[in-house]
Amino acid sequence: GQSLEQPSEVTAVEGAIVQINCTYQTSGFYGLSWYQQHDGGAPTFLSYNALDGLEETGRFSSFLSRSDSYGYLLLQELQMKDSASYFCAVSMDTGRRALTFGSGTRLQVQP
Amino acid sequence: NAGVTQTPKFQVLKTGQSMTLQCAQDMNHEYMSWYRQDPGMGLRLIHYSVGAGITDQGEVPNGYNVSRSTTEDFPLRLLSAAPSQTSVYFCASSYRGDSPYEQYFGPGTRLTVT
Repeated sequence: GQSLEQPSEVTAVEGAIVQINCTYQTSGFYGLSWYQQHDGGAPTFLSYNALDGLEETGRFSSFLSRSDSYGYLLLQELQMKDSASYFCAVSMDTGRRALTFGSGTRLQVQP
Repeated sequence: NAGVTQTPKFQVLKTGQSMTLQCAQDMNHEYMSWYRQDPGMGLRLIHYSVGAGITDQGEVPNGYNVSRSTTEDFPLRLLSAAPSQTSVYFCASSYRGDSPYEQYFGPGTRLTVT
């Protein structure tokens, strides 16, 4: 079967850096994505890694190690508005364009 | 562009009733998907489509039907509603291009089956 593991909750303070890890076991792998979802809202795309290494987009960075089936999302200079759930998601083949999601990490940013 | 739109926003059904959740996108995306999200959980794929006339099953297809007669629309039909189908339903779309895995999600339909 397919499984993605991520911590259920993380707490951090404003201005800090937080890392959310994701390990996956899937029958195929094409890329790892990260989505943000505020309470009551829809998921919104943050980043995508198909190759090993770090991708940086503003305050957010995402890392992938295909050999370790592992990735993480790094959030810097945390702001209160970053309080949300963060999901990693695997694309298992290029033809599907559909995702298998982890169960999400709820990030609470405290003042 | 309106992006991905879904109707209705909220719906209450009785067990055994059928209904169709509507999804439309105006970005000319080839790929469209339906997910359900239960409380405190990630999204699970119900059905997806890689183009007009082409659909396939995802992780949890039982009890749902889809069709894709146009690029823009991808309705999800609940055949005979059950309490286990109480969930939030999200439609998503993406295009065949340089960023294939950026999916655009609609605002969701919150469904309660009593």
